[in-house]
Amino acid sequence: GAGVSQSPSNKVTEKGKDVELRCDPISGHTALYWYRQSLGQGLEFLIYFQGNSAPDKSGLPSDRFSAERTGGSVSTLTIQRTQQEDSAVYLCASSFSGTAMSRQYFGPGTRLTVT
Amino acid sequence: GESVGLHLPTLSVQEGDNSIINCAYSNSASDYFIWYKQESGKGPQFIIDIRSNMDKRQGQRVTVLLNKTVKHLSLQIAATQPGDSAVYFCAEKPPGGYQKVTFGTGTKLQVIP
Repeated sequence: GAGVSQSPSNKVTEKGKDVELRCDPISGHTALYWYRQSLGQGLEFLIYFQGNSAPDKSGLPSDRFSAERTGGSVSTLTIQRTQQEDSAVYLCASSFSGTAMSRQYFGPGTRLTVT
Repeated sequence: GESVGLHLPTLSVQEGDNSIINCAYSNSASDYFIWYKQESGKGPQFIIDIRSNMDKRQGQRVTVLLNKTVKHLSLQIAATQPGDSAVYFCAEKPPGGYQKVTFGTGTKLQVIP
């Protein structure tokens, strides 16, 4: 079956512009995560959606970052007024959730370059 | 909190040798643990998991060991191959159905041919 998909795969934008990154999770997965990964570094948690609960936004680095998950499925991560330090790979993951099925399935990521 | 801006530790292993990758987790109440492998240019992929009521679980060429006393998790890879070169992450989940899985800092494994 289809895995997690993300679009675009690459995005180059000018400093100060807004960008939207899209994530299509696996159908039926109730949990969705966004992470940021800078070159050669670990995963930085950004935001977590679980069903209809209020999202856990504790990882968002500034108020320029926001995310939505419409209809419990597709999610969009928006970065306003992009800065060069926002350049990174943005990874989305989904999981069925629950104790035994918390395994996350990752998308290929969106590489964002801010010039 | 999450790991931010950390450079990854690196483990170099000769091809054919066994690799041991270690992870210290943070929450003594976590009941589920997962290892992921991330190859260059790709998203992390599941390798193996273990519940807190176990201390060892084996897969194909991989074994995960859990020591709850010292909150330590390890991944053992037998007969390491060049294709094992990647970054490895451990993750933990607190008890309860809808809890966020959190990742540890990764370890980069370099296999020397």
